[in-house]
Amino acid sequence: GAGVSQSPSNKVTEKGKDVELRCDPISGHTALYWYRQRLGQGLEFLIYFQGNSAPDKSGLPSDRFSAERTGESVSTLTIQRTQQEDSAVYLCASSFYPDTQYFGPGTRLTVL
Amino acid sequence: EDKVVQSPLSLVVHEGDTVTLNCSYEVTNFRSLLWYKQEKKAPTFLFMLTSSGIEKKSGRLSSILDKKELFSILNITATQTGDSAIYLCAQGGPGAGSYQLTFGKGTKLSVIP
Repeated sequence: GAGVSQSPSNKVTEKGKDVELRCDPISGHTALYWYRQRLGQGLEFLIYFQGNSAPDKSGLPSDRFSAERTGESVSTLTIQRTQQEDSAVYLCASSFYPDTQYFGPGTRLTVL
Repeated sequence: EDKVVQSPLSLVVHEGDTVTLNCSYEVTNFRSLLWYKQEKKAPTFLFMLTSSGIEKKSGRLSSILDKKELFSILNITATQTGDSAIYLCAQGGPGAGSYQLTFGKGTKLSVIP
């Protein structure tokens, strides 16, 4: 079946605006993850959803960041009052078995 | 202090060369060690190494895990220009209840004709 999909692929916004990024995981994958990758840096864990359990939000950098997931399907990552340091590629991944995560194509966010 | 450290940060080789990429990790709550290849935006899964599988091979790529010395290597033989990418290493853990991966900064491999 289809892999992980993300939308939009690119987003340019002005400082102070809110943005929503969407992730569609692989069907049947119970776990979903969001990561951030700044230019030239490794992947930074943001948040993890597993089934109906409370999400692991330990990686969210500030209260401007939030994420929701509907059941075991779509997730949205929301960044409020965007700042220039939020500019990065935001990657979503899903998995069924522990650890083997499959990544989407990412959303490149540019905050002017 | 970084928990997953990759070296070198970048590497330039000629087609046909063999390369070895290194990854060191922490022992705390180790569960698995993963390698990904990142060409544009999306990392693609290569290998996962655990206590029960410390050596993996797929075509020209192979990886081993040394649990005593806390490192893993990724070998690529007979490199091709299509191998040019950033190679990411990640440690799975901590804890059985959390599937968080901690990534290193990656090794940028450039294969020139």
